[in-house]
Amino acid sequence: EVQLVESGGGLVQPGGSLRLSCVAAGFTVSNNYMSWVRQAPGKGLEWVSVIYSGGSTYYAHSVTGRFTVSRDNVRNTLYLQMNSLRAEDTAVYYCARNVDGGSYPDYFDLWGQGTLVTVSS
Amino acid sequence: DIQMTQSPSTLSASVGDRVTITCRASQSISRWLAWYQQKPGKAPNLLVYKASSLESGVPSRFSGSGSGTDFTLTISSLQPDDLGTYYCQQYNSYPWTFGQGTKVEFK
Repeated sequence: EVQLVESGGGLVQPGGSLRLSCVAAGFTVSNNYMSWVRQAPGKGLEWVSVIYSGGSTYYAHSVTGRFTVSRDNVRNTLYLQMNSLRAEDTAVYYCARNVDGGSYPDYFDLWGQGTLVTVSS
Repeated sequence: DIQMTQSPSTLSASVGDRVTITCRASQSISRWLAWYQQKPGKAPNLLVYKASSLESGVPSRFSGSGSGTDFTLTISSLQPDDLGTYYCQQYNSYPWTFGQGTKVEFK
């Protein structure tokens, strides 16, 4: 079965760090464009970052310089390293697969179930 | 950044009604637009991509239209399973952005 399973969420203090993981089944992470999307409690969806199959990465303005997306090809896993966390980073974080639009990623066709990150003292 | 504005924010309708949700982009995005449905406590689910292409497995009562800056998602006959929040998303340029969502409720 093709699926994504996130883990690593939890409670962290402001200024702290956390690493999220997203294990893929049924397809190869390194052959796909992969993204992170978050949703603050009771709010809408916000794209966070994308990693290309070739390794290029892009980020939302709100996380640039603090978050890093990466992957482990052996473990078929996507990661999101989050540093200098703020209260406004509190959200459910989803990993998602992008459809291959050729040289550019397209829309999200597969989502994980999400993992909750709470930033609070 | 491209701003995506949906209307209405909340929609109350009855089973069998024809429902239309609109999404407006702050600048032209050609047809690089997707629609997602999100049910409470669940991840979003893709409905429509490239403005009007229906994702495999999505009921035919869903349809999308538009290009440039103005787009619509239509449910031809609302069903009980269609309860949830609907989001448009542009993937024309970074940063990718979503509309604020339209919550569909039943009268």
